[in-house]
Amino acid sequence: SQTIHQWPATLVQPVGSPLSLECTVEGTSNPNLYWYRQAAGRGLQLLFYSVGIGQISSEVPQNLSASRPQDRQFILSSKKLLLSDSGFYLCAWSGGQGGGQPQHFGDGTRLSIL
Amino acid sequence: GDSVTQMEGPVTLSEEAFLTINCTYTATGYPSLFWYVQYPGEGLQLLLKATKADDKGSNKGFEATYRKETTSFHLEKGSVQVSDSAVYFCALWRDSNYQLIWGAGTKLIIKP
Repeated sequence: SQTIHQWPATLVQPVGSPLSLECTVEGTSNPNLYWYRQAAGRGLQLLFYSVGIGQISSEVPQNLSASRPQDRQFILSSKKLLLSDSGFYLCAWSGGQGGGQPQHFGDGTRLSIL
Repeated sequence: GDSVTQMEGPVTLSEEAFLTINCTYTATGYPSLFWYVQYPGEGLQLLLKATKADDKGSNKGFEATYRKETTSFHLEKGSVQVSDSAVYFCALWRDSNYQLIWGAGTKLIIKP
């Protein structure tokens, strides 16, 4: 069966520090991968998605970036965090065949910027 | 463009009450529709889905019917429990760029 792992679960970082959040998927190949951010009490904001290795689409211009160095690995990064980067970050995957495949989510990373 | 509109929360009900959370959508064609649930402090879980008009998705006592004529996908449950307290998200799939279009979420609070 397919599983998705996301880490760390919580992270407290000072303003201006770098960031690296990692997400890996097991049990499937060539998944579509997604990074979302959820501000407290709010809905989901799609940040990046990827349909293949090295293919990243950005939905919102900001100081975050994403990379997909391997088929089932998706990394969210920043060189310098801002206070506004605080939130709950969720990684998700779906089957690459389109046609309304459901997205499956990791447990999320709660990021607090001090 | 494509969009999803959910009723605003929070929705507060007593245990064993009947639940309806409204969801309407705007889209071209016949998108697949989903309901996701997010329990406190957790990621999202797929609750149910429907892929074509008149389909009924169901899971854990929840149901939703894909109504093309009213462009709706309302979530219902006959008798809610305290453990159903969560945030519920309605979403539609947009094939053109492999994305889910999300509603804002509806917080459900069930009181014993």
